[in-house]
Amino acid sequence: ILNVEQSPQSLHVQEGDSTNFTCSFPSSNFYALHWYRWETAKSPEALFVMTLNGDEKKKGRISATLNTKEGYSYLYIKGSQPEDSATYLCALLSGTSYGKLTFGQGTILTVHP
Amino acid sequence: GAVVSQHPSWVICKSGTSVKIECRSLDFQATTMFWYRQFPKQSLMLMATSNEGSKATYEQGVEKDKFLINHASLTLSTLTVTSAHPEDSSFYICSARGGQGAMEQYFGPGTRLTVT
Repeated sequence: ILNVEQSPQSLHVQEGDSTNFTCSFPSSNFYALHWYRWETAKSPEALFVMTLNGDEKKKGRISATLNTKEGYSYLYIKGSQPEDSATYLCALLSGTSYGKLTFGQGTILTVHP
Repeated sequence: GAVVSQHPSWVICKSGTSVKIECRSLDFQATTMFWYRQFPKQSLMLMATSNEGSKATYEQGVEKDKFLINHASLTLSTLTVTSAHPEDSSFYICSARGGQGAMEQYFGPGTRLTVT
């Protein structure tokens, strides 16, 4: 059973703060790492799919890095806004592109105005 | 972007009855659909993978006779919880993946099932 861990479990920040959280995963049999943003009562929204060691991806104020050798990925949010409040999920795709996703428990981010 | 709908968004049923949940890909053809379950404060756990026109592949510990999955078309998969019991109360969410080599999975908004 693959173990994907996210930390912290929850995070409260003030509007304008920058923040980051971690996704740790077993590095063996790695194929890709997915990041999702999940707002209450909505569908999880795909943020990034990362495949290469050293990858860095950016979408607006959100960016992510990947280290497949040591088995971790960081998600950064610059200048947090209240609308960034959501649960951020990472999921490991192992084996092949046809493989299944193993999810972490998520990091719940609350941005206070 | 790709949109996946799920219906109903919530359902309450009596113990012993069956409940059907639909998952539709609205603007793309989903060769593969996935069904997940989430218990409180836990991560999304994969229940089964279904490919259009094939029998679903269930994860270890998931009863295939209890959770019937049908993927009859490239845009629709259904999950039927048969003879539901209170312990089946959970959040069920589907995702869909497009053509060959596609890694992205697009999720529906989920269904909250409460069995009384």
